[in-house]
Amino acid sequence: EIVMTQSPATLSVSPGERATLSCRASQSVNSNLAWYQLKPGQAPRLLIYGASTRATDIPARFSGSGSGTEFTLTISSLQSEDFALYYCQQYNNWPRTFGQGTKVEIK
Amino acid sequence: EVQLVESGGGLVQPGGSLRLSCAASGFTFSNYWMTWVRQAPGKGLEWVANIKQDGSERYYVDSVKGRFTISRDNIKNSLYLQMNSLRAEDTAVYYCARGGQQLVHWGQGTLVTVSS
Repeated sequence: EIVMTQSPATLSVSPGERATLSCRASQSVNSNLAWYQLKPGQAPRLLIYGASTRATDIPARFSGSGSGTEFTLTISSLQSEDFALYYCQQYNNWPRTFGQGTKVEIK
Repeated sequence: EVQLVESGGGLVQPGGSLRLSCAASGFTFSNYWMTWVRQAPGKGLEWVANIKQDGSERYYVDSVKGRFTISRDNIKNSLYLQMNSLRAEDTAVYYCARGGQQLVHWGQGTLVTVSS
């Protein structure tokens, strides 16, 4: 099983600032990496797939990069609605696996 | 509009069984892999099981192998998760989702609580 490790566990950021979240895979997942946003009481929302492709209707302030074992999700200018939990997920191997999440909170 | 509606959650004693259902609409169900994902209280997301379009391939996370069975009915446009020998650590919100790679569409989830 591929282990996905996210860092940091919590990121404190002021509105309007940039947030950079990291995700590392225990072995290469090529570009088969997705990012999700999760808010309390809501279903997860796909942000990025293929490591860098924004999903439908996702604002341009969200961007993904990386390949192999190192990945980054960048939120260029945090809006109030972006304070949430973020998860990476690999789909290169079975079983699919998620990272443990990064909480983006208001500084 | 794609809709996924889970049902069947509830309170069950350790060692008990429960069957979750997911009713799909707004797309051709038989064309897609389907997935169950769960989130335990205060924990992260965990991929539970996948099933191929025709049911010929199924994959499970190790922690549920031998206890959970994923299945589907392409006539009824429904996905199922039969959960046996339930443990306290299976307590979670269970989501069904469309796809087997990135998951674009999710249901709202159904809560399963395993407790005596």
